[in-house]
Amino acid sequence: GAVVSQHPSRVICKSGTSVKIECRSLDFQATTMFWYRQFPKQSLMLMATSNEGSKATYEQGVEKDKFLINHASLTLSTLTVTSAHPEDSSFYICSAKTGGSGEQYFGPGTRLTVT
Amino acid sequence: ELKVEQNPLFLSMQEGKNYTIYCNYSTTSDRLYWYRQDPGKSLESLFVLLSNGAVKQEGRLMASLDTKARLSTLHITAAVHDLSATYFCGTSGSRLTFGEGTQLTVNP
Repeated sequence: GAVVSQHPSRVICKSGTSVKIECRSLDFQATTMFWYRQFPKQSLMLMATSNEGSKATYEQGVEKDKFLINHASLTLSTLTVTSAHPEDSSFYICSAKTGGSGEQYFGPGTRLTVT
Repeated sequence: ELKVEQNPLFLSMQEGKNYTIYCNYSTTSDRLYWYRQDPGKSLESLFVLLSNGAVKQEGRLMASLDTKARLSTLHITAAVHDLSATYFCGTSGSRLTFGEGTQLTVNP
């Protein structure tokens, strides 16, 4: 149980285009989902927290107009990187939190490369 | 602001040896997590420690928690090559905050 999926697992896009990453909780309802970014040899940095049906809360320094987060249902959150640039190339990981135990379950990650 | 510090950040050890990774955190926290990350992969949950004095063991890994000292340890016993990975600790209050990670290399 408690499986989180991400799609796509890796994506290459050209500079200036937008990319959407999906995060799904497959066998539970996630009251809260989190989006992290990880650069090589670094730790995970929280980008934003999203609750179903409400606006995401972004961490300091994360541009909300560039990283659009939608949490339309209890099993799906999406992160759209708009007008991507090479510096946005990174490993994006989502996690989903259950309402009961409060445990977070991590998705497998999406490798974004912007050329 | 909650800060989580791991020590060491890089660890190279021989197979069969023992070693400990330390995780210090700055403020009171609900729970302490240990994760493993292999290259190119996401996080794999290893342990969740919920209370002072908690100790959990899985195979060659043992994690402990001292909430008074705000310290958790991950002890590796008789290391094998398959344990080579990056290990993160994390604590949660309102959100999960990670340490910098410890890159472990176990040499044959």
